[in-house]
Amino acid sequence: GAGVSQSPSNKVTEKGKDVELRCDPISGHTALYWYRQSLGQGLEFLIYFQGNSAPDKSGLPSDRFSAERTGGSVSTLTIQRTQQEDSAVYLCASSLNRAEDTQYFGPGTRLTVL
Amino acid sequence: SQQGEEDPQALSIQEGENATMNCSYKTSINNLQWYRQNSGRGLVHLILIRSNEREKHSGRLRVTLDTSKKSSSLLITASRAADTASYFCATWLSNNNDMRFGAGTRLTVKP
Repeated sequence: GAGVSQSPSNKVTEKGKDVELRCDPISGHTALYWYRQSLGQGLEFLIYFQGNSAPDKSGLPSDRFSAERTGGSVSTLTIQRTQQEDSAVYLCASSLNRAEDTQYFGPGTRLTVL
Repeated sequence: SQQGEEDPQALSIQEGENATMNCSYKTSINNLQWYRQNSGRGLVHLILIRSNEREKHSGRLRVTLDTSKKSSSLLITASRAADTASYFCATWLSNNNDMRFGAGTRLTVKP
């Protein structure tokens, strides 16, 4: 079956612009996660959606970041007024049920803020 | 801060040798997972070990878990050049509702 997909695969934007990143989880997976990975670093957890429940947003790095998940499926991560330090690979993952289940990752979106 | 910390940060071995990577964590866990990442993009799940398990095998992979020491190890036997990648351990922090990944071990297997 289809895995987790993310779009775009690469995004170059100018400082101050808004960007929207999209994640399509595996069909039937109730949990969805967003991570950020800077060059040569580990993964930084951003936010987690479980079904239709409201997410805990405390992991988002600033109030310029927001995320939503419509209908318990597709998710978008929006970064407003992008800064150069936002440049990173943004990874999305989904898991079948609980947060501790195996996570299946998408290929990521590489964001470059000029 | 990282929940899991891997060591070594980098490991370089010859093809055919075994590679051992270690992970330490700080809080109680229900399970610990190991992931592999090629070229800084998507991660691939390798193995999940539950807190009541001490050892688990999958092909050339062997994972151990010592909950008393809050540590885990990943052993790759008879390594191949294709095993070159970064390896991460990960645990779910139920109190914080977040997943913590270690900084990773960069493994290079020379042909």
